[in-house]
Amino acid sequence: TQLLEQSPQFLSIQEGENLTVYCNSSSVFSSLQWYRQEPGEGPVLLVTVVTGGEVKKLKRLTFQFGDARKDSSLHITAAQPGDTGLYLCAGVKNSGAGSYQLTFGKGTKLSVIP
Amino acid sequence: KAGVTQTPRYLIKTRGQQVTLSCSPISGHRSVSWYQQTPGQGLQFLFEYFSETQRNKGNFPGRFSGRQFSNSRSEMNVSTLELGDSALYLCASSLTVPINEQFFGPGTRLTVL
Repeated sequence: TQLLEQSPQFLSIQEGENLTVYCNSSSVFSSLQWYRQEPGEGPVLLVTVVTGGEVKKLKRLTFQFGDARKDSSLHITAAQPGDTGLYLCAGVKNSGAGSYQLTFGKGTKLSVIP
Repeated sequence: KAGVTQTPRYLIKTRGQQVTLSCSPISGHRSVSWYQQTPGQGLQFLFEYFSETQRNKGNFPGRFSGRQFSNSRSEMNVSTLELGDSALYLCASSLTVPINEQFFGPGTRLTVL
């Protein structure tokens, strides 16, 4: 059973278009992270959202954490070829004292065509 | 500051063999986590080591094991390899707790024939 569902799985768009990627779950998370992974490299952390309803902006990227802390979205404005990559969300369940559970979605593969 | 390094980058083994992968964390980082990434299952957490002790563990069989040395370097071992173990194995390091911020290495691509 996949705890975190990401959609769409694949996305191919033209440079300059906007897009939204979704990360959904039936579980409540302590926090949620978004990563981008490029071919031949490991994932790179983009942002961590912690509070329900939180919105964080990173240049053209806007991240939102759902009010119930079960889902999140990533919106990219005016996509550029450099945004191409695999976008991963990861839900964190923090049990305290260094104990936690970290679950990744399967990712959204984004291609931005010049 | 050097990033996380993993060796080897590519590895080919046959079923039944065992394999050891190595990870050197960023200097000063005490936590090292291991992940398996496959097209079908995505990125899955294997285990995390902190100060030479396994602190967290994912849902993988006992064939997957690891250890951490006093200099924070870590190794991961897979015994009795199966075809399904073919994957990209990623290591990540963090100062204290991975859920705050962790830095990934480029991974080791393991192919089991």
